[in-house]
Amino acid sequence: DVKVTQSSRYLVKRTGEKVFLECVQDMDHENMFWYRQDPGLGLRLIYFSYDVKMKEKGDIPEGYSVSREKKERFSLILESASTNQTSMYLCASSLGGQGGGFSYEQYFGPGTRLTVT
Amino acid sequence: AQTVTQSQPEMSVQEAETVTLSCTYDTSENNYYLFWYKQPPSRQMILVIRQEAYKQQNATENRFSVNFQKAAKSFSLKISDSQLGDTAMYFCAFQGGKLIFGQGTELSVKP
Repeated sequence: DVKVTQSSRYLVKRTGEKVFLECVQDMDHENMFWYRQDPGLGLRLIYFSYDVKMKEKGDIPEGYSVSREKKERFSLILESASTNQTSMYLCASSLGGQGGGFSYEQYFGPGTRLTVT
Repeated sequence: AQTVTQSQPEMSVQEAETVTLSCTYDTSENNYYLFWYKQPPSRQMILVIRQEAYKQQNATENRFSVNFQKAAKSFSLKISDSQLGDTAMYFCAFQGGKLIFGQGTELSVKP
């Protein structure tokens, strides 16, 4: 079975802190994604990566950055956390390379509920 | 811009009954994929069913089936013989370039 794990289920940070959210998948998937989930808005794509060291902006990249140094690991970074970044963050992975990966099933992690105070 | 709309924020159904969740989308593309994902309370999101736009036949997975109306840009999910374990948030998603999710429908199955 595909397994996608996220470093924390719950996280509380202060405004201005640098925050790292880690995601690891064990299925050798090329694609990895970071989404933000807010009530009434569904899931919105922040960043995705189709290969090591490659990244593409999603729909809401402002205030975030990402890092993919190894194929199995994709990190989301909040350079200076703000209260409007309080949300549920979901990581996902899938087969597929550049451009062609979105037709494949995405496998999701359990999510990290981040609160910024 | 491509959009996905789920107009039912919440729904409820009695156990063993049938329920249909609605989804509409907007696109000018001809080839794409559509998905329904399920997010149970405090559990991970999983894929329920997938439909390829070039296939006219509606996808089916056990008790889950879709009604795909390409011309109307409609993609509803029917759950037959509802079970308590079907209680979850359901998201419709459209794949054109990136994957675009609807707002979600929270389904409660009542005993």
